[in-house]
Amino acid sequence: AAGVIQSPRHLIKEKRETATLKCYPIPRHDTVYWYQQGPGQDPQFLISFYEKMQSDKGSIPDRFSAQQFSDYHSELNMSSLELGDSALYFCASSLAVVRQRKANYGYTFGSGTRLTVV
Amino acid sequence: QKEVEQDPGPLSVPEGAIVSLNCTYSNSAFQYFMWYRQYSRKGPELLMYTYSSGNKEDGRFTAQVDKSSKYISLFIRDSQPSDSATYLCAIRRNTGKLIFGQGTTLQVKP
Repeated sequence: AAGVIQSPRHLIKEKRETATLKCYPIPRHDTVYWYQQGPGQDPQFLISFYEKMQSDKGSIPDRFSAQQFSDYHSELNMSSLELGDSALYFCASSLAVVRQRKANYGYTFGSGTRLTVV
Repeated sequence: QKEVEQDPGPLSVPEGAIVSLNCTYSNSAFQYFMWYRQYSRKGPELLMYTYSSGNKEDGRFTAQVDKSSKYISLFIRDSQPSDSATYLCAIRRNTGKLIFGQGTTLQVKP
């Protein structure tokens, strides 16, 4: 079965550079979530999109922006990178929460992008 | 105070042991509870999903939710070395975002 695809798998950037992470959800999933996981920490929610509109926002720095496109893939844009941005960035996809109240609606994570800022 | 608290361990058990992993949460309005397994440098993998209170069983895994005490548990029977991973409990908010516990690192020794 197709899974959530993230690219690139690894990325090394210098401070103050920009980075773009891409996420391709499971087919027919219309909701995308982005999480950041620092070393030894639990994933922290950044932002989510449903039908190309931002549906929720977490602890995402103003230097970061994201969008969802008409084919439901999403991109996380990170500018003015700082050393502290080094982390694993996960994307997850699901069917919209509003469609299924009690089911797990297929909430699935990708393998992540490991970003290292030097 | 974090909305979801989880003992980070580490937890080390012999192969075949029963493992008990636990989390507490603060908001009684939460209704959706998940357990994820995460291997090193991999994405979280959904193990169990529970709506409201009660038990749910899937093979060697059993998830329990006690809403009266705001306590969620994951039991692993006949643990195997391949179960060695970090286990994350999570609460799903109405918007769909997940709030994770800190994760418990489990090692099952042959």
